[in-house]
Amino acid sequence: AQRVTQPEKLLSVFKGAPVELKCNYSYSGSPELFWYVQYSRQRLQLLLRHISRESIKGFTADLNKGETSFHLKKPFAQEEDSAMYYCALKGNFNKFYFGSGTKLNVKP
Amino acid sequence: DAGVTQSPTHLIKTRGQQVTLRCSPKSGHDTVSWYQQALGQGPQFIFQYYEEEERQRGNFPDRFSGHQFPNYSSELNVNALLLGDSALYLCASSSRQGAGRGSPLHFGNGTRLTVT
Repeated sequence: AQRVTQPEKLLSVFKGAPVELKCNYSYSGSPELFWYVQYSRQRLQLLLRHISRESIKGFTADLNKGETSFHLKKPFAQEEDSAMYYCALKGNFNKFYFGSGTKLNVKP
Repeated sequence: DAGVTQSPTHLIKTRGQQVTLRCSPKSGHDTVSWYQQALGQGPQFIFQYYEEEERQRGNFPDRFSGHQFPNYSSELNVNALLLGDSALYLCASSSRQGAGRGSPLHFGNGTRLTVT
């Protein structure tokens, strides 16, 4: 069965500290993983996708098939990174499975 | 490009009533998916519409139904509302032609439904 797990509901760090938001998945096929972000009073929007191997706003995420993980990392957190972050797995027929989200709070 | 638009933004209904939520997809998109997001949870897939037909369905009862129109816009209908139906309902659009690896969903702002 497809499942996405984000074990941390809340992550608080100080500005300039490294950040790692954890995501683990369960999927029998070849996974496509995404990170979505929701800033205060804004819609859910795509942050990055594993297939692009891109860095967006300083964030990166590497797909680790052995550990079935897709953790989101940033070396130096900024206050504007404070938001809800959702890990998502794309299944068959463009059906997405989302984790329960991690609220990142970057303190000044 | 207005992106995905949803209406209304907020709605309050009484248990047992029926509700209709509306969505217009992003320009160029032909596939609409609906998600329910309960408080403190991630979005849960309800169903997906393409070419005016329901193509995929999540684990939701038949009280949840939908429709897609020729202009690709969509409606979500919920009958016999329960208190547990209170949630944020998100519409997401995508392009079937562009549904290759890495193609994401684009979300609207959602409709906040409160059932009392």
